[in-house]
Amino acid sequence: DQQVKQNSPSLSVQEGRISILNCDYTNSMFDYFLWYKKYPAEGPTFLISISSIKDKNEDGRFTVFLNKSAKHLSLHIVPSQPGDSAVYFCAAIYTGNQFYFGTGTSLTVIP
Amino acid sequence: NAGVTQTPKFRVLKTGQSMTLLCAQDMNHEYMYWYRQDPGMGLRLIHYSVGEGTTAKGEVPDGYNVSRLKKQNFLLGLESAAPSQTSVYFCASSLSNRDRQFFGPGTRLTVL
Repeated sequence: DQQVKQNSPSLSVQEGRISILNCDYTNSMFDYFLWYKKYPAEGPTFLISISSIKDKNEDGRFTVFLNKSAKHLSLHIVPSQPGDSAVYFCAAIYTGNQFYFGTGTSLTVIP
Repeated sequence: NAGVTQTPKFRVLKTGQSMTLLCAQDMNHEYMYWYRQDPGMGLRLIHYSVGEGTTAKGEVPDGYNVSRLKKQNFLLGLESAAPSQTSVYFCASSLSNRDRQFFGPGTRLTVL
């Protein structure tokens, strides 16, 4: 049973525009969320995180929004750049030692 | 700093063969993890370790064993490989259980 879901397998965006990647979760106990970025033939790398006590966290061009009532997380990339083309995974944890990962969204930024 | 390294990068096995995947990290991290990535499934945790000499089961542990004899190394073993274990395997490490994880480059394993 997938506790963290990314329902869009792929997304294409024009360079300079906003990319919005979405993530939904089923377990209301999750209290810490991360986004990772993965290029082909490489391991995922950490991008940005958010705690459940916040509803927004920014880091440069990347902003993560958390809507706890909707159990929804989104990553905004503004402006999008060709180098942002990658697979993006969201992950969540509530207790213990296991992060639950989504299935990933492949972002293509078109020059 | 090399970060997290994995050996080998690619491997092809026949059903029933055994092998060991090696993960090494030079960041003095306590926590280490083994994941598998399959199409449409995301990353699933196989086993993890919270420190030298400790291991624990993750979400999909069946058919795998692990050992953490040294803090910097985490080994994943397949005693009798099956085609269902064809996957890309990632090792990761972190300072704590809620800290960002640093991933290795992955091992692509095919079991025929």
